Amino acid sequence: AQSVTQPDIHITVSEGASLELRCNYSYGATPYLFWYVQSPGQGLQLLLKYFSGDTLVQGIKGFEAEFKRSQSSFNLRKPSVHWSDAAEYFCAVGAGRYSTLTFGKGTMLLVSP
Amino acid sequence: NAGVTQTPKFQVLKTGQSMTLQCAQDMNHEYMSWYRQDPGMGLRLIHYSVGAGITDQGEVPNGYNVSRSTTEDFPLRLLSAAPSQTSVYFCASSGAPSSGNTIYFGEGSWLTVV
Repeated sequence: AQSVTQPDIHITVSEGASLELRCNYSYGATPYLFWYVQSPGQGLQLLLKYFSGDTLVQGIKGFEAEFKRSQSSFNLRKPSVHWSDAAEYFCAVGAGRYSTLTFGKGTMLLVSP
Repeated sequence: NAGVTQTPKFQVLKTGQSMTLQCAQDMNHEYMSWYRQDPGMGLRLIHYSVGAGITDQGEVPNGYNVSRSTTEDFPLRLLSAAPSQTSVYFCASSGAPSSGNTIYFGEGSWLTVV
């Protein structure tokens, strides 16, 4: 069975600083990988996804993620964080065949002035 | 363009009551699923469906029932609500994942069982 690990429960970043959120997955085949963001009391918004091809994926709001098969990782990055990026971020791996997802437990991003 | 619509958005139930969370999509998607979100646990799969008449259990199916009589609708039934079912519930739908289709989520249903 697949699994996703997000090692950091909370991360605090200064506004304007760079950000990297870690995600490691376990899956037997080529994974479909996703990053979602959730603001308090809101639903999930898809930031980006990886299905195949270029291992560096560009998403919305200036985010990008890099798929590294050798490290089983799909880390999310942003060069300069804005206060509005404060939210909870979820990494997820697709089960492939049935379009269901296994989520990590999330990383809460706090942005300090 | 409604996407995935969940109702109700908020609900308070008493222990032992039953209710149905509704989920409808207007994108003609084959695949639909239900997740629950609890603090510190991420989202966990409850049940999913790969087409009308076909459903299967996910990671946390106990206490929940589903059916898929049409492509558009995938209701989630709580048979006898328990406080442990207090959670936020999300419905999702998509086309075939191998083609790179995006998985669309509803806005969530906040359920409190007292």
